Amino acid sequence: EDKVVQSPLSLVVHEGDTVTLNCSYEVTNFRSLLWYKQEKKAPTFLFMLTSSGIEKKSGRLSSILDKKELFSILNITATQTGDSAIYLCAVRSGNMLTFGGGTRLMVKP
Amino acid sequence: EAQVTQNPRYLITVTGKKLTVTCSQNMNHEYMSWYRQDPGLGLRQIYYSMNVEVTDKGDVPEGYKVSRKEKRNFPLILESPSPNQTSLYFCASSLSNYPSSSYNSPLHFGNGTRLTVT
Repeated sequence: EDKVVQSPLSLVVHEGDTVTLNCSYEVTNFRSLLWYKQEKKAPTFLFMLTSSGIEKKSGRLSSILDKKELFSILNITATQTGDSAIYLCAVRSGNMLTFGGGTRLMVKP
Repeated sequence: EAQVTQNPRYLITVTGKKLTVTCSQNMNHEYMSWYRQDPGLGLRQIYYSMNVEVTDKGDVPEGYKVSRKEKRNFPLILESPSPNQTSLYFCASSLSNYPSSSYNSPLHFGNGTRLTVT
């Protein structure tokens, strides 16, 4: 059975801090790993990673994949209160997408 | 505007009363899927469809039915809802019939349906 585990479950930081969110996986036929941000409504797409060691970057957010050690990290630098959300990691294996339980991030002013 | 539309947004019902949650997308997407989200469990896939008239079970299909008679619609049917189906439900779609097969084919989510079964 495919498994995706995110850590930590929740995190509270202050504005300006840097955070690192973790996602580890065990799947049978890895195709891609995705990160989503979920505020009050639907998850919105952040990154898709398919190759090891290549960093994806968008503003203050960046992510990298390690296919040997089977994990990915999502970094957020200079956090803002608007970064408060649940961050979801998902792994595509074959034609299924398996989500982790999410990391709830709260950024305090 | 390109979007995935679910209805209703909120629904409170009683055990055993059949209900349908509708999902429609206007992006001509091939792939559609239903997820439920429960605290600590993340998003779990209920059913998915790679094309019209093609549906497959996800991780937690028990107690649910779906149909894909048209490309744009993918309703979720609960024939006899039970309290353990109280959850937040998301419909999602993807351009490719293999979700997230390329960077221009991530999943697009609807705004969710919060279902309470008493």
